[in-house]
Amino acid sequence: AQSVTQPDIHITVSEGASLELRCNYSYGATPYLFWYVQSPGQGLQLLLKYFSGDTLVQGIKGFEAEFKRSQSSFNLRKPSVHWSDAAEYFCAVGPYGNKLVFGAGTILRVKS
Amino acid sequence: EPEVTQTPSHQVTQMGQEVILRCVPISNHLYFYWYRQILGQKVEFLVSFYNNEISEKSEIFDDQFSVERPDGSNFTLKIRSTKLEDSAMYFCASRKDREYGYTFGSGTRLTVV
Repeated sequence: AQSVTQPDIHITVSEGASLELRCNYSYGATPYLFWYVQSPGQGLQLLLKYFSGDTLVQGIKGFEAEFKRSQSSFNLRKPSVHWSDAAEYFCAVGPYGNKLVFGAGTILRVKS
Repeated sequence: EPEVTQTPSHQVTQMGQEVILRCVPISNHLYFYWYRQILGQKVEFLVSFYNNEISEKSEIFDDQFSVERPDGSNFTLKIRSTKLEDSAMYFCASRKDREYGYTFGSGTRLTVV
């Protein structure tokens, strides 16, 4: 069955520290992979996407993610977190048929 | 940067009433979607629309729901008789084709009382 797992519900990091948010998926072929960010009460903003090619993709706001086929993972990273990065982060995979399937999200808290 | 626009941003309605949520997708996009997110839960797929017809729908998208692209620019989601459990954030999304990402709107928060 199609599934996307974000094992960490909450993560707290200190401002300036590095960040890695985990995402694992099950999919029959090479998927399209996405990371979205959602600030409280706001919409979903696309951080980055992977379709094919270089498995390390760069996104907006200094984020990057690496597709590892052998581990069925697409982890999101940032070398130095800023207080404004506090938000909820969603990994999404597709297309399953014609749609995206979202993970449950990881809430990032940044402490100063 | 082109945006998907959703109106209203927040709607409160009484149980049993009809609501229409409106979306203006990006103009050269061909695929249109509605998703919803109940508070504290995952973002869930509702329906996809392509070439003026529904291409896929989820189990959630029952006979109470309908979608329409009435004039080539707007994309609407209608809920005929709202229930308390329809309270959620509803996101519209569009994409140009399979090689492009999905662009989401900022959402409509629907509260059924």
